[in-house]
Amino acid sequence: EAGVVQSPRYKIIEKKQPVAFWCNPISGHNTLYWYRQNLGQGPELLIRYENEEAVDDSQLPKDRFSAERLKGVDSTLKIQPAELGDSAVYLCASSPKRGVSYNEQFFGPGTRLTVL
Amino acid sequence: AQTVTQSQPEMSVQEAETVTLSCTYDTSESDYYLFWYKQPPSRQMILVIRQEAYKQQNATENRFSVNFQKAAKSFSLKISDSQLGDAAMYFCAYIRDDKIIFGKGTRLHILP
Repeated sequence: EAGVVQSPRYKIIEKKQPVAFWCNPISGHNTLYWYRQNLGQGPELLIRYENEEAVDDSQLPKDRFSAERLKGVDSTLKIQPAELGDSAVYLCASSPKRGVSYNEQFFGPGTRLTVL
Repeated sequence: AQTVTQSQPEMSVQEAETVTLSCTYDTSESDYYLFWYKQPPSRQMILVIRQEAYKQQNATENRFSVNFQKAAKSFSLKISDSQLGDAAMYFCAYIRDDKIIFGKGTRLHILP
């Protein structure tokens, strides 16, 4: 079974430029998460999708960040315009089912973003 | 709000020895889950072990075991017979209702 796929693995951009990250979750996983991991920190949730619906985007900086999961499968996270403080690793995760006490989350390898 | 604290930014252990990583958390809930994740240089988060809060028995997965003290809100990870491949960042995580809160991590070095 293929794992969570993310691309690109690395991205270097100049500040004020736009950037997009792509995630393909494990087949059949309804729930998809985007996390940001700053250097030396644990991941922090940006947004969670149940199928195509964003059910928790309270930590997403909506002035510059946007996300979509149009068909309830793969997802794109966008930053426009990027700022220096956006340099981080962006992790995508997916989990198989809802309505249970916990869902084990399976993580992708992440995209390391560097904003110059 | 829930918080997770890992008080050891870095630790080192000799190969084949045993090491314990500490984690404390704060919550007012009685039903939740606790996980330890490993993140090697490849950045992929890998689940090491999980503990259901309603279970008194400590979870064990091969060389990995936990000491779960619910009243003290403590959840430490013990790695026995440490191997070079255990070198990584280890994150303690609290989970309830699909929401994960991670600690800041402990970087584990394995000395040959």
